[in-house]
Amino acid sequence: SQTIHQWPATLVQPVGSPLSLECTVEGTSNPNLYWYRQAAGRGLQLLFYSVGIGQISSEVPQNLSASRPQDRQFILSSKKLLLSDSGFYLCAWSRGQESGNTIYFGEGSWLTVV
Amino acid sequence: AQSVTQLDSQVPVFEEAPVELRCNYSSSVSVYLFWYVQYPNQGLQLLLKYLSGSTLVKGINGFEAEFNKSQTSFHLRKPSVHISDTAEYFCAVTPTGGGNKLTFGTGTQLKVEL
Repeated sequence: SQTIHQWPATLVQPVGSPLSLECTVEGTSNPNLYWYRQAAGRGLQLLFYSVGIGQISSEVPQNLSASRPQDRQFILSSKKLLLSDSGFYLCAWSRGQESGNTIYFGEGSWLTVV
Repeated sequence: AQSVTQLDSQVPVFEEAPVELRCNYSSSVSVYLFWYVQYPNQGLQLLLKYLSGSTLVKGINGFEAEFNKSQTSFHLRKPSVHISDTAEYFCAVTPTGGGNKLTFGTGTQLKVEL
């Protein structure tokens, strides 16, 4: 069976510090990978998605970046965090690019920027 | 572009009562529709999805939803709720072509009371 892991689960970072959130998927190959952010009262916003190693699409302009160094590894980064980067970050995966395939979510990472 | 509206941010209901969570969408192209559930401090879990065929879709935990193309709605229903159904529910859509990226509504908090 397939599983998705992301870490750390929670972190508190000062403004201006760097960020690295990691996500790995097991039990499948060549998945689509996604980073979503959930802010209070605003639903989920797609930040990045990737269809393969080194292939990253950004959905919204922001202070964050993503990388996919390996087939099943997806990393969300920032060089300098802003207060507005606080939120709940969710990694997700789906099989292939066909629309309608179920997207499976990780447990999420709570980021508080202080 | 697509948009999803969940007009009810909170829905309180007594245990064993029926519930309906409303979802309306806007899109210039055909879409697939999804409902996800999020328990506190966890990721999202798929409840059900509509791709094609019968407009009444049955999902996990006794939930069902009906796709109404003319009203651009995909309301979620359960005939008798349980305390364990207390969670946040998200409606989402993705275009039937052009990749697999979900656009979410802002969510509805279902609170089941004794």
